[in-house]
Amino acid sequence: GESVGLHLPTLSVQEGDNSIINCAYSNSASDYFIWYKQESGKGPQFIIDIRSNMDKRQGQRVTVLLNKTVKHLSLQIAATQPGDSAVYFCAENSNSGGYQKVTFGTGTKLQVIP
Amino acid sequence: DAGITQSPRYKITETGRQVTLMCHQTWSHSYMFWYRQDLGHGLRLIYYSAAADITDKGEVPDGYVVSRSKTENFPLTLESATRSQTSVYFCASRGGTAEKLFFGSGTQLSVL
Repeated sequence: GESVGLHLPTLSVQEGDNSIINCAYSNSASDYFIWYKQESGKGPQFIIDIRSNMDKRQGQRVTVLLNKTVKHLSLQIAATQPGDSAVYFCAENSNSGGYQKVTFGTGTKLQVIP
Repeated sequence: DAGITQSPRYKITETGRQVTLMCHQTWSHSYMFWYRQDLGHGLRLIYYSAAADITDKGEVPDGYVVSRSKTENFPLTLESATRSQTSVYFCASRGGTAEKLFFGSGTQLSVL
């Protein structure tokens, strides 16, 4: 399938290290944020989400941090594994004319070095 | 299997032809979406639907038509395909507002 990793910012991480992927969002009224993982030739897969009334949320090996002051979102992956290699997208949910709009960032490619 | 499925997985067509991409979900989700994904543009919303018989335009609706006669199906039609519509198309659904989207596996469309 078509690669979605070309022309994207790339983060290269040694296997076993922690990864931090950053995302700046645009709408200060966004109330819900989601991180997706997309492997080559597949659809985006949900990783973790966070609502705007929270600063931090933890999952299994993943943590999302939300800084509303500077409109910044980050995804931390602990003990990065080769299977984590993919493109990661952040998404923000906001109300736009009565419709709950989901806007996606352009993505970051994570490359895990064995 | 339960989930969201798209068909076909790959499609090659010619300029001017009509093409329909299918999307089917088994969760009875109210909301369904069509996105296209292109290098350098990320995911862009084409059309969305809040319920059966309710649809509305997204960011890039020109050249596309949708319908939602049944909750579980949300077909996307390119009435007269153009080369600029060569892309990967993703269908998604969610149960309510401010909830995560579930994506299908995508349809890779090439317009020659």
